Amino acid sequence: GDSVTQMEGPVTLSEEAFLTINCTYTATGYPSLFWYVQYPGEGLQLLLKATKADDKGSNKGFEATYRKETTSFHLEKGSVQVSDSAVYFCALLNQAGTALIFGKGTTLSVSS
Amino acid sequence: SAVISQKPSRDICQRGTSLTIQCQVDSQVTMMFWYRQQPGQSLTLIATANQGSEATYESGFVIDKFPISRPNLTFSTLTVSNMSPEDSSIYLCSADGVTNTGELFFGEGSRLTVL
Repeated sequence: GDSVTQMEGPVTLSEEAFLTINCTYTATGYPSLFWYVQYPGEGLQLLLKATKADDKGSNKGFEATYRKETTSFHLEKGSVQVSDSAVYFCALLNQAGTALIFGKGTTLSVSS
Repeated sequence: SAVISQKPSRDICQRGTSLTIQCQVDSQVTMMFWYRQQPGQSLTLIATANQGSEATYESGFVIDKFPISRPNLTFSTLTVSNMSPEDSSIYLCSADGVTNTGELFFGEGSRLTVL
């Protein structure tokens, strides 16, 4: 069945460091892909998405490119801030379009 | 966008009891979803709740254990029945922004601990 695998955390970085959180997926066809973020004390919220191969989703300085050759959707940011500290979830939309399938989440901690 | 409120935000429950979690959305939405997040695990979809019909449960989840109501387009409840310590988890309510796009809004979750 469909599944999402993302890198284990926690990831600890200094402010202004480069961030990569790896995400790979297994799915039938070419599903829409997402990154959701959960800031401390808040609900999950959509960070960015890509709906087809080679699409790049971007938001708040974060980017992820849909790579069908490697079935990956890695999240990147060139210069992280303390306010980026959160849990990041990679997800895909199943073929029926009825359910999101999530990875386990990666905790990011950024220190000043 | 939609704002989703869940209550209780957390609770400690005794084995064998049942607890109902309420989810209120500040606007009308077509589909609502209930997820479970067990410690160290990813979010797992329990069921999809549509108004006017029975909830659709994912494999491994049954109505007797997780009865769901959806009386209108802004509200849903999830009951965790006959709880055991294995039910200790965070339960998340979500709603679709645009149907079948994967763009969901989430509540903050209800953290249940079963003793």
